[in-house]
Amino acid sequence: NAGVTQTPKFQVLKTGQSMTLQCAQDMNHNSMYWYRQDPGMGLRLIYYSASEGTTDKGEVPNGYNVSRLNKREFSLRLESAAPSQTSVYFCASIRLAVPYEQYFGPGTRLTVT
Amino acid sequence: GNSVTQMEGPVTLSEEAFLTINCTYTATGYPSLFWYVQYPGEGLQLLLKATKADDKGSNKGFEATYRKETTSFHLEKGSVQVSDSAVYFCAVSNGGATNKLIFGTGTLLAVQP
Repeated sequence: NAGVTQTPKFQVLKTGQSMTLQCAQDMNHNSMYWYRQDPGMGLRLIYYSASEGTTDKGEVPNGYNVSRLNKREFSLRLESAAPSQTSVYFCASIRLAVPYEQYFGPGTRLTVT
Repeated sequence: GNSVTQMEGPVTLSEEAFLTINCTYTATGYPSLFWYVQYPGEGLQLLLKATKADDKGSNKGFEATYRKETTSFHLEKGSVQVSDSAVYFCAVSNGGATNKLIFGTGTLLAVQP
């Protein structure tokens, strides 16, 4: 049981390049989330997916797209990277029972130059 | 919407000192409350949780009590260790199938030997 896995761990992009961050969970969770973490701002929700085939915007969705490929996988795509997207990205999934705790992946550290 | 206010860091303590990290929240209904911990270079791990008023969450010597009358969920530990050095995040949930967590900005704890 690997929990939540993310690839890659580190990435450097040039402005305007595109890339996809991958996330997978093996806990049979329905809901999955993408967050970004920036200094002094905690974690902010980018997109979430309540179930396979559905996605919704979070607090900071601009510049990102997501795909819920199946129940296990939830990817985040940057179509045209900008320096403002330099951040650490975390994927999470949730166990759908009180207290609805979220399980986090190890993160992807992205630098856009 | 829900929000979390967390004391700013960094908090620097000597080993075996008493720790308090304050957290207050605003929320409708009866949310669940969480403390997550992030060790250097890692993702977030659930430290403890509470689901209703007067519940006390505890783990690894850390405790927090869900105080509805003061809308607080302060984290405490009687005797910190160097290995407790990390960033601590308070979070409140909105519950349900599309549960979203709202995070505080995080508090860096540095414990010196």
